[in-house]
Amino acid sequence: NAGVTQTPKFQVLKTGQSMTLQCAQDMNHEYMSWYRQDPGMGLRLIHYSVGAGITDQGEVPNGYNVSRSTTEDFPLRLLSAAPSQTSVYFCASRNSGGAPQETQYFGPGTRLLVL
Amino acid sequence: ILNVEQSPQSLHVQEGDSTNFTCSFPSSNFYALHWYRWETAKSPEALFVMTLNGDEKKKGRISATLNTKEGYSYLYIKGSQPEDSATYLCAPHTGTASKLTFGTGTRLQVML
Repeated sequence: NAGVTQTPKFQVLKTGQSMTLQCAQDMNHEYMSWYRQDPGMGLRLIHYSVGAGITDQGEVPNGYNVSRSTTEDFPLRLLSAAPSQTSVYFCASRNSGGAPQETQYFGPGTRLLVL
Repeated sequence: ILNVEQSPQSLHVQEGDSTNFTCSFPSSNFYALHWYRWETAKSPEALFVMTLNGDEKKKGRISATLNTKEGYSYLYIKGSQPEDSATYLCAPHTGTASKLTFGTGTRLQVML
């Protein structure tokens, strides 16, 4: 199993540009989520999904869209990039959204720089 | 937004020292607590998942305890080694079972 994969690893955008961060998992996990990591702020939840077709907002959803058309994929879209969205983005998955004792697995991260 | 506090923020210890960190979280509607180890330039890796009051977990030289009534967990590292250098994150599930809320972490540096 590849686990959780993310592409690209690194991206530079100009203010106002849009892009999609890709996330995929091959563990047949129901639950997937996106976090951003900023210095001194820890990991903050952007959006999450408890299954295909179901998404919900996390702590910092503004400026981001998600969709979950398949179990495997959970892309994160930046609608109009802003310098405040410069961050490292982590995708994560776990077997079930309703089972809090399940281990959550993280992807390798995407480093985004918005100029 | 859930208030999860970890202390200390950073810690420098000598090789061979034992150390411990604290994770504090709201005790109401508790479901589970996760501990993660996060090395620089890598992704967080799960250490423990704890669910019951009084739970103790151990993996090699690292162990953790849980007090759900007062809302805290301790992580202990016995005989620290340079490879233990990392940021240690705790993340409780409270209130909403599907959401994992992370603390800001304790950054451990083990010096030779």
